Amino acid sequence: EAGVTQFPSHSVIEKGQTVTLRCDPISGHDNLYWYRRVMGKEIKFLLHFVKESKQDESGMPNNRFLAERTGGTYSTLKVQPAELEDSGVYFCASSQELAPKRNYEQYFGPGTRLTVT
Amino acid sequence: AQKVTQAQTEISVVEKEDVTLDCVYETRDTTYYLFWYKQPPSGELVFLIRRNSFDEQNEISGRYSWNFQKSTSSFNFTITASQVVDSAVYFCALSEAGGFTRPRDNTDKLIFGTGTRLQVFP
Repeated sequence: EAGVTQFPSHSVIEKGQTVTLRCDPISGHDNLYWYRRVMGKEIKFLLHFVKESKQDESGMPNNRFLAERTGGTYSTLKVQPAELEDSGVYFCASSQELAPKRNYEQYFGPGTRLTVT
Repeated sequence: AQKVTQAQTEISVVEKEDVTLDCVYETRDTTYYLFWYKQPPSGELVFLIRRNSFDEQNEISGRYSWNFQKSTSSFNFTITASQVVDSAVYFCALSEAGGFTRPRDNTDKLIFGTGTRLQVFP
């Protein structure tokens, strides 16, 4: 079974440009999460999709970030315009269920390292 | 407030030594879930274990063991006879499920600690 995949693995852009990150969850997983780790800090939650609906977007830093999950399959996270502080590693995770049901563990992708110069 | 603290930023050991990674959490909920993830040099986060707040039984999986103590709000992780392949960053995480104080908000968002980098030298 394929795991969570993310594209690209690394992106270097200039301040003010736009970048779109993509996440393909594990097939059949309705829950999809985005997280971000800024250098040396903890991994922070950004938002949670259940199928194509945004369940919780309380962690989105500002309106320069736009996440979509059309059709409830893959998701994109667009940053427009990018700022220096957006640099970090963006992780995507998916899970089959929510706790306390079984199979609520979140499985993570390898992350996209975003560098804004 | 919800918080996960991993006070050890970096630990270095020599192969075959035992090592314990500490995790202390704060939560207002009576029902919650705890996790450990491993991040090897390749970058992905690998799920290791989950624990719910009602189950304080310690768990052992091969060389890995976990000690969950609600009285001290800790969920420590021990690697016995460490190996070079154990070198990675380890993250402890908390997920709240609601409880008597507030209804469940139908999200399992994880609250992570800052991670502990473990280096095992041959």
